[in-house]
This record gives sequence, structure tokens and C-alpha cells, in this order.
Amino acid sequence: QVQLQESGPGLVKPSETLSLTCSVSGYSISSGYYWGWIRQPPGKALEWIGYIYHSGSTYYSPSLKSRVTISIDTSKNQFSLKLSSVTAADTAVYYCARAEGEVDYWGQGMLVTVSS
Amino acid sequence: EIVLTQSPATLSVSPGERATLSCRASQSVSSNLAWYQQKPGQAPRLLIYGASTRATGIPARFSGSGSGTEFTLTISSLQSEDFAVYYCQQSNNWPPEWTFGQGTKVEIK
Repeated sequence: QVQLQESGPGLVKPSETLSLTCSVSGYSISSGYYWGWIRQPPGKALEWIGYIYHSGSTYYSPSLKSRVTISIDTSKNQFSLKLSSVTAADTAVYYCARAEGEVDYWGQGMLVTVSS
Repeated sequence: EIVLTQSPATLSVSPGERATLSCRASQSVSSNLAWYQQKPGQAPRLLIYGASTRATGIPARFSGSGSGTEFTLTISSLQSEDFAVYYCQQSNNWPPEWTFGQGTKVEIK
């Protein structure tokens, strides 16, 4: 069974870089699919951050493109998110996901709070 | 950017009744439209993909229809476990951006 698990700091200071890693089990990320990040501010809607193909090609949301980097490490079966220059508006639950257009597997989600 | 507009924002329905949720795209997304259910404190669950194909394990009371810019999710007879927030999501090939709608909350009437 495919499982995804987010990890990283739950608290980040304003202006710093948010870094999260998604560990995948039950499926080799080098075999296919898109691997992405989605976030959800408290009480608000889901927002696509971006995704990476197993080959390494990426797509980022236009509104976040200047601050986002998604990378993949097939040797560890992991992929990662970096979001720079964070503000309180970046406080959200961050989900990692497997997708082929639609998302069929989600991580449990991780709350990241931006605060000094 | 393709904008998805969901309506209504909140839908009050009695158990056993039919619920009809709408999702409108700002430009054609063909059939590249999915629906998700999200309950408080949980990750979303995929219900429908390709506009009308039920995901594995999804009950037959959930159905999706539409193509192009107009889509509908229908829950034929609401069960207690169906009260949740529902999101649509498009994954059009070009531009290669994926976006979600703002959600419809289905609440008990």
C-alpha cells in the first residue's frame, strides 16, 4: 500500500525558509507519477504549490513560483519542498501527494506555523 | 490561470435527500476534473476523476458529470458520513497548472 509522510519543522520564523520532506513507501517514485505539494491555510481552501515528475521536471504555482523549489531524491524515495521568505500568510497544513492529474494518495498533512 | 468556481458555498440537505454540487471552470479543462471529500482534521479523499469515473471504493451514490467548463457532483441519497466539504480540481494539460475550487460545504439541514 502506498503511504506518504511529511516531516520537517512545525514552526518557522518570518523571512526564513520552510523545508519539508515527503517519504514515500509502497511505491518507487522513480517508476512514475507526479509528486507534489498542496497546502491549506486554517479554515480555507486547498492550494496547489507545485509538483515534480519522476524525471525531475517541475511545475510551480505562478503565485508562489519565485519562492518555491521542489526536488526529488530517488535513492531515498523522497521528495522535498522549500519555500523561501515566508510570512504569516504561509501558515498552513502542508500535504504531500501522488498525482496523475488527480491526487490518489495524500500524506496525513503537517501544520507549519510561521511566527517569531 | 484556470479558475474553478464552486457553487453553492454551503448546501443544507436532509439525510436521504439528493445533493447537487457545481464546479465551473474559467476555460475548458476537457474532462480533466476531479472531486474530493474532506472531513475535519483529515486529508482529502478522491471521489471522482476524469469528470465521471468513481475512484476505488467510492459508493455508487456519488456520481460526476460534465465536460469543458461545467461539472456536477451528485450525491443521490445523503448518508450521515457524507456531510463534509467537497472540492473540485482541474489538471488541464495546458497551461500545466492544477487548481482547486473554493469548496462546497454540505451540512445537515
